[in-house]
Amino acid sequence: DIVMTQSPDSLAVSLGERATINCKSSQTVLYSSNNNNYLGWYQQKPGQPPKLLIYWASTRESGVPDRFSGSGSGTDFTLTISSLQAEDVAIYYCQQYYSTPPTFGQGTRLEIK
Amino acid sequence: QVQLQESGPGLVKPSETLSLTCAVSGYSTSSDYYWAWIRQPPGKGLEWIGSINHSGTTYYNPSLKSRITISIDTSKKQVSLKLSSVTAADTAVYYCGRDRARGPTDHWGQGTLVTVSS
Repeated sequence: DIVMTQSPDSLAVSLGERATINCKSSQTVLYSSNNNNYLGWYQQKPGQPPKLLIYWASTRESGVPDRFSGSGSGTDFTLTISSLQAEDVAIYYCQQYYSTPPTFGQGTRLEIK
Repeated sequence: QVQLQESGPGLVKPSETLSLTCAVSGYSTSSDYYWAWIRQPPGKGLEWIGSINHSGTTYYNPSLKSRITISIDTSKKQVSLKLSSVTAADTAVYYCGRDRARGPTDHWGQGTLVTVSS
């Protein structure tokens, strides 16, 4: 299985400031034949299921605010929230879907400072 | 609007079989998507269990493969999960979801908590 490791485990950011979450895969999730990174980001608020934010490492899901962006390639990826809003308090997970089974990072808890 | 709703017993005894059903509405299960099961132990992270498409092609997590059966009834728009020989380690919120083919899970049910206890 591909192991996904996120950093940090928790993060406190002031409202309006930038939040950055990192994700590293134990092997590449870049499929060379189509140049796509098989990497997604999810947001999970308390008592709710995860919500897909980003797929193909950098494509925003429909309806997701543009303050959320994804970057990276190969084995190293980043989720950035450009200006933190109160409603962004959540746990964020990265996921690789390059190989079966799809695997998730351990999660990063984002709080308001 | 795709909607997914899990149902099944909230309490299962150790060594017995956990059985859950996911009802799909707003979308046909006879499509090119995969219908997945994912679980989350209380306070912990996410584990993909397996998925199935409309043709009955299944993919299972190797760590659970010997105990899992996922099936689909396209006429009823239902996907089912059976997990045998459960232990306390199988206590979790179980989600059903829609997986894009070789893609992420873009729709999720609300989840159902299953506790394994005597």
